Amino acid sequence: GEDVEQSLFLSVREGDSSVINCTYTDSSSTYLYWYKQEPGAGLQLLTYIFSNMDMKQDQRLTVLLNKKDKHLSLRIADTQTGDSAIYFCADRSGGYNKLIFGAGTRLAVHP
Amino acid sequence: DAGVTQSPTHLIKTRGQQVTLRCSPKSGHDTVSWYQQALGQGPQFIFQYYEEEERQRGNFPDRFSGHQFPNYSSELNVNALLLGDSALYLCASSLNSQRTAHEQYFGPGTRLTVT
Repeated sequence: GEDVEQSLFLSVREGDSSVINCTYTDSSSTYLYWYKQEPGAGLQLLTYIFSNMDMKQDQRLTVLLNKKDKHLSLRIADTQTGDSAIYFCADRSGGYNKLIFGAGTRLAVHP
Repeated sequence: DAGVTQSPTHLIKTRGQQVTLRCSPKSGHDTVSWYQQALGQGPQFIFQYYEEEERQRGNFPDRFSGHQFPNYSSELNVNALLLGDSALYLCASSLNSQRTAHEQYFGPGTRLTVT
């Protein structure tokens, strides 16, 4: 079945760029998403990319999609302590918008 | 603009009991999906409701059931609770239009602990 995989942990210095990576298996994916989850909270939709795009930029966020390798990345420019959270990659699977999530990447930002 | 709301925030139940969780979708949304997030894992899709009907279901047993009301709010029911049902239960809402149906917005979740 469909699967989404992410590295579990990333540590960066404040002000540096963060790059979170994700791979997926569903070759018929139409949309791919990045969600952010802060401690004790629900999921916040950060951004998404349609499968016919290679890149999408939204302020400090840049999403890159390599459809051939089924690889998705999220770059956060000028990372701040407020960016510390768990970031989930998700793939829209099949009809009716069922989302398949990765296990999440915990981003730790240190001074 | 009201976001997705869920109640209760926290709940403690005993094995074998039944529980009902509630969700009100974001204003203007008509579709509700439920997800289970076990500790340290990503959310897993339980089912989705649209027009008061379950229209897609994930790999969850029949102990998990749901309902959608005419005002688009939804309930998730879990019978015969097991320790493994302890998790954060997330509700997500969306608007069933061609352009926006894929954008799902999540509520804060209900933390269920089964003892």
